[in-house]
Amino acid sequence: GIQVEQSPPDLILQEGANSTLRCNFSDSVNNLQWFHQNPWGQLINLFYIPSGTKQNGRLSATTVATERYSLLYISSSQTTDSGVYFCAHNNNAGNMLTFGGGTRLMVKP
Amino acid sequence: DAGVIQSPRHEVTEMGQEVTLRCKPISGHDYLFWYRQTMMRGLELLIYFNNNVPIDDSGMPEDRFSAKMPNASFSTLKIQPSEPRDSAVYFCASSLTGAYGYTFGSGTRLTVV
Repeated sequence: GIQVEQSPPDLILQEGANSTLRCNFSDSVNNLQWFHQNPWGQLINLFYIPSGTKQNGRLSATTVATERYSLLYISSSQTTDSGVYFCAHNNNAGNMLTFGGGTRLMVKP
Repeated sequence: DAGVIQSPRHEVTEMGQEVTLRCKPISGHDYLFWYRQTMMRGLELLIYFNNNVPIDDSGMPEDRFSAKMPNASFSTLKIQPSEPRDSAVYFCASSLTGAYGYTFGSGTRLTVV
């Protein structure tokens, strides 16, 4: 299957700092998505970003499908941004979401 | 809509006992997914349904695991008999399209002792 590598695996930020999380794929993927799992375990869909760039408040995501990577930008980080960020993609049929290993982010006040 | 509702939130059971996890998807969503999350294996898809029909159960680890979706508003994941290695957080998710727009439930934390 397609290998998904997320980097860095762990990240500690001071509140207010910016960061970039990366997701690399071993092959072309469908329907790239980003999720945030908060410290209480809730998974929230952040972006559906098969290609191009999207922004939502302090978060933005860019996928360069031809180069097999996606980036998640967090600007002016807040303690509530802490948790684990996952990228995920669908199989060719489009209905089976496979998750990367995640980036664990801690934002300190 | 109240989102995807899972019950129970926490379950502690003894090895060998039957465990049933429950999920109510978002009304109108045609796809329902069961995932398992562990430290070792991360988030894994166990099975998914489309219009109440199981489409792919290749992620179900063993015959001890079974899932049903008797109607559009309810699904169960059953483990019988349970084993300590089944301890994990089990998530249910639903989607309108299957490709994106996933909404996850809060999960059931299962501990088998």
